[in-house]
Amino acid sequence: SQQGEEDPQALSIQEGENATMNCSYKTSINNLQWYRQNSGRGLVHLILIRSNEREKHSGRLRVTLDTSKKSSSLLITASRAADTASYFCATDARGKLIFGQGTELSVKP
Amino acid sequence: EPEVTQTPSHQVTQMGQEVILRCVPISNHLYFYWYRQILGQKVEFLVSFYNNEISEKSEIFDDQFSVERPDGSNFTLKIRSTKLEDSAMYFCASIGYSTGELFFGEGSRLTVL
Repeated sequence: SQQGEEDPQALSIQEGENATMNCSYKTSINNLQWYRQNSGRGLVHLILIRSNEREKHSGRLRVTLDTSKKSSSLLITASRAADTASYFCATDARGKLIFGQGTELSVKP
Repeated sequence: EPEVTQTPSHQVTQMGQEVILRCVPISNHLYFYWYRQILGQKVEFLVSFYNNEISEKSEIFDDQFSVERPDGSNFTLKIRSTKLEDSAMYFCASIGYSTGELFFGEGSRLTVL
């Protein structure tokens, strides 16, 4: 299976702190994407990083990709209570996305 | 902003009944997907659909499942004879090209009693 596996499964931090979530996968990919899911809602795309990219930024989000280690990390800086959600990495190898188990982030005000 | 819409938002059905979940993808998108998420678990790929045919399906997508795009706009998922373990959120998604971000609907919650 090429699915991503997130680490940690759950993360609880204070508002203003940074949150780092990691994702590992097993096979070659075209790109890796991060999605966010608020409880009971659909998934929202956050950022896509291609296999030939090493780092990408979008607002308070920073994503890194290490294809040699088959791993990626998502950093959310200066977290807010509204960032509380589940975060999933998804790997794309043949035009379909396979999602990991997700990291449940709780940001306390 | 264009969005993927799904109906119904919640359906309760008896085991053995047929269920049809409907999705209207973003109008100029070409690739369509169904995913499911059992409560508290990960999002699982079911099927992808392109050019009016299934392009890939997972082992979950057995003979009880089918998809079609009957009128060029709606994209439906049918479960012929529901089982208790089919209870889940079912998400439809679409993209304009094969390797890019997916746009997800808000999901249809299916409860099988």
